Amino acid sequence: DVKVTQSSRYLVKRTGEKVFLECVQDMDHENMFWYRQDPGLGLRLIYFSYDVKMKEKGDIPEGYSVSREKKERFSLILESASTNQTSMYLCASSPGTGGREQYFGPGTRLTVT
Amino acid sequence: AQTVTQSQPEMSVQEAETVTLSCTYDTSESDYYLFWYKQPPSRQMILVIRQEAYKQQNATENRFSVNFQKAAKSFSLKISDSQLGDAAMYFCAPRINDYKLSFGAGTTVTVRA
Repeated sequence: DVKVTQSSRYLVKRTGEKVFLECVQDMDHENMFWYRQDPGLGLRLIYFSYDVKMKEKGDIPEGYSVSREKKERFSLILESASTNQTSMYLCASSPGTGGREQYFGPGTRLTVT
Repeated sequence: AQTVTQSQPEMSVQEAETVTLSCTYDTSESDYYLFWYKQPPSRQMILVIRQEAYKQQNATENRFSVNFQKAAKSFSLKISDSQLGDAAMYFCAPRINDYKLSFGAGTTVTVRA
């Protein structure tokens, strides 16, 4: 069964902290994605990766970085968390090109105080 | 980012009745894929249905069907015989290029018993 897991369901951090959100998929997918979800805005792509050590900016990369050292793991990093980064973060993966859908993790609700 | 418009923030439907969710998008491509995802209160994004743009036949998945109008760039979702478990937020998500989905703002569906 397809599975994408995220390290935390809920996370509370202070302004200025460095925050790591981890995502692991067990499907040997090439592509992995990080989105943030805010009410009325849908899901917006932060970064994605199509291979190990490869990454591309999405629509809203400012304030974020990513790391993909292994195929199954894709990390989102907030170098210095700010209150406007309070949001729901969703990780997804997909098996390369060809119209395949993305499979999503359960999401991490991050609150920055 | 591609523009995806879901013009109905909320829809309410009586159990066993039918509801249709609208979606329009913008693209100059001729070959692409479109998806509808469901996000229940558990937050887990679940694929509802997929449509290939090159196929003229509308996709159907049990009680879920789409009305795909390529020239109009319209991709609506019809839920027939609505059930309480259909209550969720629904996202339209075209996949225009190889990797990325673009999401609409979502439509919250409430099912009345």
